[in-house]
Amino acid sequence: NAGVTQTPKFQVLKTGQSMTLQCAQDMNHEYMSWYRQDPGMGLRLIHYSVGAGITDQGEVPNGYNVSRSTTEDFPLRLLSAAPSQTSVYFCASSSSGVGTDTQYFGPGTRLTVL
Amino acid sequence: AQSVTQLGSHVSVSEGALVLLRCNYSSSVPPYLFWYVQYPNQGLQLLLKYTTGATLVKGINGFEAEFKKSETSFHLTKPSAHMSDAAEYFCAVSDLMGYGGSQGNLIFGKGTKLSVKP
Repeated sequence: NAGVTQTPKFQVLKTGQSMTLQCAQDMNHEYMSWYRQDPGMGLRLIHYSVGAGITDQGEVPNGYNVSRSTTEDFPLRLLSAAPSQTSVYFCASSSSGVGTDTQYFGPGTRLTVL
Repeated sequence: AQSVTQLGSHVSVSEGALVLLRCNYSSSVPPYLFWYVQYPNQGLQLLLKYTTGATLVKGINGFEAEFKKSETSFHLTKPSAHMSDAAEYFCAVSDLMGYGGSQGNLIFGKGTKLSVKP
């Protein structure tokens, strides 16, 4: 199993550009989520999904869009990039999304917005 | 609302010394608690978790943590530090009260960077 994969590993954007961060898992997990990591802030939840076709907002959803058309994939879209979105983005998945589940994290995408 | 506080953004120990990383939580319901480790330029990996039952939880790489309800703490310890333990450590709690009703979301502390001196 590859686990949770993310592409790209690094990306540089100009303000106003759009892009999609890809996330895929091969563990047949129902629950997937996106976090952003900023220095001294820990990880903050952007969006999450409890199954195909179901998504919801987390703590910091503004400027991001998600969709979940398959169990395996959970892309994160930046609609119009801003310097405040410079961060490291992590995708995670867990079996069923209950509170006791272990979440498995991808390697991250480091995004810089100029 | 639930929250997690990690005391000390940086901790430095000598190789062979005790590692103690502090985590306190706030929760109005019995919490589910996690410790994750992040090695440089990598994703997060689960070290250990507490859900129910035994309050002393053993994890990978010789780490353990004790859930103390009276102190609302879940401190991470390792008796003897190794150079390979240098990483950032995150304490987290399942968000049993929040966002959209999914209990699977995690609330993270701000992290503690552990340095190990030879």
